[in-house]
Amino acid sequence: GQQLNQSPQSMFIQEGEDVSMNCTSSSIFNTWLWYKQDPGEGPVLLIALYKAGELTSNGRLTAQFGITRKDSFLNISASIPSDVGIYFCAGQRTGTASKLTFGTGTRLQVTL
Amino acid sequence: SQTIHQWPATLVQPVGSPLSLECTVEGTSNPNLYWYRQAAGRGLQLLFYSVGIGQISSEVPQNLSASRPQDRQFILSSKKLLLSDSGFYLCAWKPLVRGWSGANVLTFGAGSRLTVL
Repeated sequence: GQQLNQSPQSMFIQEGEDVSMNCTSSSIFNTWLWYKQDPGEGPVLLIALYKAGELTSNGRLTAQFGITRKDSFLNISASIPSDVGIYFCAGQRTGTASKLTFGTGTRLQVTL
Repeated sequence: SQTIHQWPATLVQPVGSPLSLECTVEGTSNPNLYWYRQAAGRGLQLLFYSVGIGQISSEVPQNLSASRPQDRQFILSSKKLLLSDSGFYLCAWKPLVRGWSGANVLTFGAGSRLTVL
């Protein structure tokens, strides 16, 4: 099925650095979601965005719903070792009430 | 509060053997239910989803099938496993309530890791 373009595919960063990742699509979305998956576990919701231009924070995480409704980004400030994992964006398109479209994931690794 | 349970957590099966993974949701009614598969280091592939008892939509033709015998129970099955069926299987649910943005949020189970030898 269709997937969102998520970048970067992977990142190696040092503890304390800020991280930025984004998702883009050729389709318009009415909801954007960001999930984190720890190794061997199911993805957990981090942030949900429902309006174009919306900027929402959850602790050190900040995400924005792009004004064109075709993109979203997630920022992590002052990364720590427990930020390690795979981050997925997901979007809900108009007219597809039952299904989310997922990004391909960004694997984040944090070094001390 | 709502919870989702998925089992078994880990499964090692020989090629050609049957499969049954079970998922149940508590604390809600009429949820949409989903089965995803995740190959090692890869993204999430939607396999099946269900909007009601006995209603199954298949996204990818394959060796697997799904059933929803009860409102909050979703089962993933196979009659004969293939090596390529190995992976991490995730069940998920979201509310059926329409007109509410929060209804788009998908909640995942802890996953079932299947290894076919």
